Amino acid sequence: ETGVTQTPRHLVMGMTNKKSLKCEQHLGHNAMYWYKQSAKKPLELMFVYSLEERVENNSVPSRFSPECPNSSHLFLHLHTLQPEDSALYLCASSQDSTDPREQYFGPGTRLTVT
Amino acid sequence: QKEVEQNSGPLSVPEGAIASLNCTYSDRGSQSFFWYRQYSGKSPELIMSIYSNGDKEDGRFTAQLNKASQYVSLLIRDSQPSDSATYLCAVNNAGGTSYGKLTFGQGTILTVHP
Repeated sequence: ETGVTQTPRHLVMGMTNKKSLKCEQHLGHNAMYWYKQSAKKPLELMFVYSLEERVENNSVPSRFSPECPNSSHLFLHLHTLQPEDSALYLCASSQDSTDPREQYFGPGTRLTVT
Repeated sequence: QKEVEQNSGPLSVPEGAIASLNCTYSDRGSQSFFWYRQYSGKSPELIMSIYSNGDKEDGRFTAQLNKASQYVSLLIRDSQPSDSATYLCAVNNAGGTSYGKLTFGQGTILTVHP
């Protein structure tokens, strides 16, 4: 256990559905991240939040919408996804986004878009 | 040119041998370097971090950093079958932003056979 939890662990959704991924960290960290991991590709950074403010949007399509209501919680709202969005979505946290010396990952949500 | 490059492997070593994993990076301004281990179907787990040139040892793991050559490596001594996993190299660089961010390599698959 890294102190970062994610729900759900598995999600199957149709292209017209709307769903949300949830992440919670119990480490007292100030920064949270969403990553996408597709087969045979490096981890891709999607969003960075520092003290609840989004500081990075790494050219992510608008069908992915993040929300960070406080420094412990992070959401990724999904709508009208495409089959190529099927991947493992990982949440991570670190003490400070200005120098993310150590990022700790949650277990991930395995997303399948049908 | 890939920002963080690793040999995807698979790297196969016998039990008890030393496994050597290598990583090169393109941004000379990179400041912090990390090795993550990822078992199949699991999320990345931080196993080593290194910030200055030289070696850093932690149990059976040794990280080596050479900033002049833009090279970081991970040695695993007395390899065990439980070390079989994908090893991800991650580099922290500002990339012109006001905050740090991690860039990951594609990962090296390590197999330790009895």
